[in-house]
Amino acid sequence: QKEVEQNSGPLSVPEGAIASLNCTYSDRGSQSFFWYRQYSGKSPELIMSIYSNGDKEDGRFTAQLNKASQYVSLLIRDSQPSDSATYLCAVLVYTDKLIFGTGTRLQVFP
Amino acid sequence: DGGITQSPKYLFRKEGQNVTLSCEQNLNHDAMYWYRQDPGQGLRLIYYSQIVNDFQKGDIAEGYSVSREKKESFPLTVTSAQKNPTAFYLCASSIGGKNEQFFGPGTRLTVL
Repeated sequence: QKEVEQNSGPLSVPEGAIASLNCTYSDRGSQSFFWYRQYSGKSPELIMSIYSNGDKEDGRFTAQLNKASQYVSLLIRDSQPSDSATYLCAVLVYTDKLIFGTGTRLQVFP
Repeated sequence: DGGITQSPKYLFRKEGQNVTLSCEQNLNHDAMYWYRQDPGQGLRLIYYSQIVNDFQKGDIAEGYSVSREKKESFPLTVTSAQKNPTAFYLCASSIGGKNEQFFGPGTRLTVL
């Protein structure tokens, strides 16, 4: 079992829709969770961090964390073509290392 | 203007040569990291350092070496012992080991 799992996609959504990206992790002791956006050929950019169960909102982005079920998700409301990118889920595990999923490619079409 | 810089952006190397990738940050972060990204794979940790003059191996350290003589700088040397060095190399930093990591623009290394 991989430590951090994501569906590779592509996830295709129409402009204006809600995009839902999911991530599961195996280390029950993990306390810190991050979402990065990576455009093709560029480096990852941190867009959300979440540490407690529940929802955390920042603009059009909402991160959701459920530690009991060991999943974290990212919702993007009013999706725009400029949101088309690969979204990386990262989890800080007990060794204080950040473990990354392989990413979900999101395509927003006009 | 605070940030993380990496140079060069693109690097070509012949087999058998060692190359050094530069990473500098002016964010006053204590921790610095090197990752490697291959197509279709997640980022994999090569080395990390949480304090000057100290560093630890990550998951794929073989064939790589680092130094941390200054807080701002964490260069990575890709040695000839690294069997498959062609990849996108990313440097990151954070305030401390448990905090958010921020990435530099990356160096794309190609071995000819």
